[in-house]
Order: sequence, then C-alpha cells, then structure tokens
Amino acid sequence: GAVVSQHPSWVICKSGTSVKIECRSLDFQATTMFWYRQFPKQSLMLMATSNEGSKATYEQGVEKDKFLINHASLTLSTLTVTSAHPEDSSFYICSARTTRGYTFGSGTRLTVV
Amino acid sequence: QKEVEQNSGPLSVPEGAIASLNCTYSDRGSQSFFWYRQYSGKSPELIMFIYSNGDKEDGRFTAQLNKASQYVSLLIRDSQPSDSATYLCAVNRGGNQFYFGTGTSLTVIP
Repeated sequence: GAVVSQHPSWVICKSGTSVKIECRSLDFQATTMFWYRQFPKQSLMLMATSNEGSKATYEQGVEKDKFLINHASLTLSTLTVTSAHPEDSSFYICSARTTRGYTFGSGTRLTVV
Repeated sequence: QKEVEQNSGPLSVPEGAIASLNCTYSDRGSQSFFWYRQYSGKSPELIMFIYSNGDKEDGRFTAQLNKASQYVSLLIRDSQPSDSATYLCAVNRGGNQFYFGTGTSLTVIP
C-alpha cells in the first residue's frame, strides 16, 4: 500500500518550453506532498511543500513563478517547470507522508536541451 | 554546519560481511530518523525508521540511534551485491520537514 505514482519517468524538452510532472497517491489521500530536486551525486533538496486546496510553500531560493505547484485534489499534485532552461535539468521527485513514514514517487528525469 | 552529515564513501565490503553506515545530525530536537536506499537513477525507497534510542532490527538491517551523541547508524548483515546502492539518512525535526544527508555509496563485492 501507500504508493505514489509519478509521471513521466523522463522527459526531454527544448529550452523555453514548460514541462508538467504529475504525482498521484494511488491508495491513500495525501493532503500534503513534497517536491524534491536532486542533482547528480547530490542529496535531495526540498523545493516546496504542496498542500491540497491552498498555495504551496516554497523553500528559500526556489522561484515560485518558475516552479508552479498545484494540488487540486487529495490524490494529485503537479509541478510545472515553466520556461525551462538547461540548468533546470535534474531529477525531480515527489513524496507524500504515509502511516509508515514518507514514500517517494519514482522520479522524473528532466533534460532541457 | 549541515543538518545531516554522512560520509560519502565509497564504502566497499565483501559479500557476506557487515556494512556499517553512519550519520550525524545537528539539531538535538530531531525526532525521527529514516534510512533510505537509492539505486542509480531511481527514487529513494524506505528501508526503516527509528524514533527511540537503541537498536531496531528488521531482517538483515539494524538501525541504531544515540540521541545524546546525535548519531544514527545502519548495519547491513550478510551484505549482498544487490545491496550496492547509495544510502540516505533523513532526519525529521517534527512537522513535515525532512533533511537528507548526501548519502553514502556502498559497493558489495562478490
């Protein structure tokens, strides 16, 4: 149980375009989801906390106008990388709290060319 | 000082040996501690968590917590090549915020 489904697994986009990443909690309701970014050989860095029905809370240094987060229902949170640039290329992972702790989505490898 | 510190490794152990992974944290108010395993290109998967001082065992894995020393460790007994991965220590200070270490790379040599 407690599965978080994340799509797409990987995406390649052109510089200047936008990319949407979806995370769904499949068998539980997630009032809160967390979005992380991980650069190669580095730790997971929390970008923002997404709350169902309200505005996301962004970590210091994360541009909220660039990384749009929407948590429209108890089972779906989306992260949209707007006007993506090569420096946004990274591994994006969502996470939700469950009764056993925090479970992660499978991650999205974003490459901006 | 980083919230969570881990030796990046790489740590190499022979198959069947015990692998010992260590983690220190800076905030004495930290409440819960998690160990995740991450294979290259994949997202982390939870191995186990611990809240109380002492040892917690789950199969081949044992987590050890010493709050006085602000130290948490993970022991992997009878290490297998499939255990080769990066191990992330995560600390929760209460609420929803997690702090992750940079991970320790483990290689189990057949």
